[in-house]
Amino acid sequence: ETGVTQTPRHLVMGMTNKKSLKCEQHLGHNAMYWYKQSAKKPLELMFVYNFKEQTENNSVPSRFSPECPNSSHLFLHLHTLQPEDSALYLCASSQAGGTEAFFGQGTRLTVV
Amino acid sequence: QKEVEQDPGPLSVPEGAIVSLNCTYSNSAFQYFMWYRQYSRKGPELLMYTYSSGNKEDGRFTAQVDKSSKYISLFIRDSQPSDSATYLCAMSADYKLSFGAGTTVTVRA
Repeated sequence: ETGVTQTPRHLVMGMTNKKSLKCEQHLGHNAMYWYKQSAKKPLELMFVYNFKEQTENNSVPSRFSPECPNSSHLFLHLHTLQPEDSALYLCASSQAGGTEAFFGQGTRLTVV
Repeated sequence: QKEVEQDPGPLSVPEGAIVSLNCTYSNSAFQYFMWYRQYSRKGPELLMYTYSSGNKEDGRFTAQVDKSSKYISLFIRDSQPSDSATYLCAMSADYKLSFGAGTTVTVRA
C-alpha cells in the first residue's frame, strides 16, 4: 500500500451520469493533487490543493469538480463527461511545497 | 516543444542487460529530478530523487543529471523480469512537477 487510497478502482459511466472519485491519504501530507493519465501522454496535472485550499486549476473543464473537505480527503465529482475523458485518474499527495509526490493506484474511468 | 521529452519505447531487453532510459527538458529552472516506476494497473511509485546535477546510486539503479545539457538518465544494472514496467521521469520547478510520457520496459527472462 502506498498510503494513498483511491476508490473505486474501475468505473464505467454514461455521458449523462454523475459520479464521484474518492482519494484518502494516510501520510500526514497537506497537499493533494488530481492527475489524468491517458495512453502515451504525460501525466496531466488537473487540480492542486494546499491546506484544503485549491491553489491550481489547470484549465480543466467544469464537468470535473474537485472537493477537498480536509487535508486527508479529496474528491473529484464528474458529470456529463465525454468519451475522450476516459483515462486513468490518479490522486497524489505531498507536503505543501514539497517535490516528492506519492500516488494512489488510480481509478480507471471509461465513459460510454 | 514539450517541456519534458521522453521516448515512449517500448524497450525490450534480455534479463541481465543494462537498461538505459533518458529524458530531455527545456526549462532551465528545473532543480529536482525524479524517476517514477509504474507497474501495470498501479499508480506511479517514486524510484529515485536527485537534486541538481550529478549522479545518485541506489542498488542496481543509477540516476544521472546533466543540467548543462538538460538531460537526465536512469540506468538499471542486471535487469530482472520484475523491472518490467513503465518508467516516468519527472522534474520540478517552483514545486510544480512536470512529467515525461513514460518509457515502457520489458525484461525478457
